[in-house]
Amino acid sequence: DAKTTQPPSMDCAEGRAANLPCNHSTISGNEYVYWYRQIHSQGPQYIIHGLKNNETNEMASLIITEDRKSSTLILPHATLRDTAVYYCIVRVVGRAAGNKLTFGGGTRVLVKP
Amino acid sequence: EAQVTQNPRYLITVTGKKLTVTCSQNMNHEYMSWYRQDPGLGLRQIYYSMNVEVTDKGDVPEGYKVSRKEKRNFPLILESPSPNQTSLYFCASSLWAPRDRVGPDTQYFGPGTRLTVL
Repeated sequence: DAKTTQPPSMDCAEGRAANLPCNHSTISGNEYVYWYRQIHSQGPQYIIHGLKNNETNEMASLIITEDRKSSTLILPHATLRDTAVYYCIVRVVGRAAGNKLTFGGGTRVLVKP
Repeated sequence: EAQVTQNPRYLITVTGKKLTVTCSQNMNHEYMSWYRQDPGLGLRQIYYSMNVEVTDKGDVPEGYKVSRKEKRNFPLILESPSPNQTSLYFCASSLWAPRDRVGPDTQYFGPGTRLTVL
């Protein structure tokens, strides 16, 4: 699976959008971009995933650049409950690839009132 | 409610005393997995199971055993716990991508079990 690079930490004001960048310059054509988050020692929580197109769900939006070498997770209206460590993961999926998740350092997001 | 449950949530034990951490999911997922999380080391996979009676080693299987006799349950067994197994443990489950289709999958994690071995 391709390696990802994320800033170690960032602050965000409550109610504002939080934009979390992720670099994955060695991504290959069959690798998806996944985002998970972990709120203080709780189980990691799936947020969103994408392959090429931008994606949106009830939690967040995922913007993937045209060359797929980087992406941005957008939390549109951050709340205090969004304070967590956010992990960007790039991986092949499917039976042959296995379902192991490898979490890097992530970005520690602190949402401030 | 779709969920993965783990028990116990917290456990303090002594070296050598066998213990079992249970994991159960109600989503009819084929795939289940155990991870441990340690400061500075991230999440590391211990064992995984692709279906009933099918299990395989992850990255750090030493000192652990698993079984998958039913689809919904995947217990983690420490036959002779040692202090270096003090950690935060997570169970996860997901659907298994069909053979002929490559598609996204989503893993659902349990709340975690904090284990301390003295």
